[in-house]
Amino acid sequence: GAGVSQSPRYKVAKRGQDVALRCDPISGHVSLFWYQQALGQGPEFLTYFQNEAQLDKSGLPSDRFFAERPEGSVSTLKIQRTQQEDSAVYLCASSLARGFEGSEAFFGQGTRLTVV
Amino acid sequence: SQQGEEDPQALSIQEGENATMNCSYKTSINNLQWYRQNSGRGLVHLILIRSNEREKHSGRLRVTLDTSKKSSSLLITASRAADTASYFCATALTGGFKTIFGAGTRLFVKA
Repeated sequence: GAGVSQSPRYKVAKRGQDVALRCDPISGHVSLFWYQQALGQGPEFLTYFQNEAQLDKSGLPSDRFFAERPEGSVSTLKIQRTQQEDSAVYLCASSLARGFEGSEAFFGQGTRLTVV
Repeated sequence: SQQGEEDPQALSIQEGENATMNCSYKTSINNLQWYRQNSGRGLVHLILIRSNEREKHSGRLRVTLDTSKKSSSLLITASRAADTASYFCATALTGGFKTIFGAGTRLFVKA
């Protein structure tokens, strides 16, 4: 595609509900990153995929957060039993090279999650 | 926790003036990147500077890097109202996977 696409753009979930956020990276991009961005803050790293391999998940805040990229393209970030503190914008980025340092990362518009 | 710190947190200037934002980081890096984010949108890559570079230009942007001080600056010359956005620096920890963004500088350019 032309860019990184995320869906849904907005999601309202009741506390305790499970949610799934989708990211379609640019075709052929090796690297895929997920970030969480609270209002007025910079993005916080959640996890990194190189193709289908999840090489770093050190930023996932709890075991309620799970991410996958089974075929090395589309990725899904799942949050189980959502809590109010999960409310944030979730950003996905992809890049052509391995890791963050090899080339620029292209970001999606993000999914704004509100837990009520 | 974020290792990048930007200052100032907010900056308001008149159109045509220059805007300078600074970023500090804590660990060794291979490169540092600057991104812009318009309200409610994703981040857009502006410029990448490698650790062996001291200065880099791209259009109206000038980035400097001082690895001895672990700091970088972004200068936007002849600012325009369309430059109004938040600006973030970003680095990657050793291994190149875990990326660290600063809290950002919110720039407001008045027409």
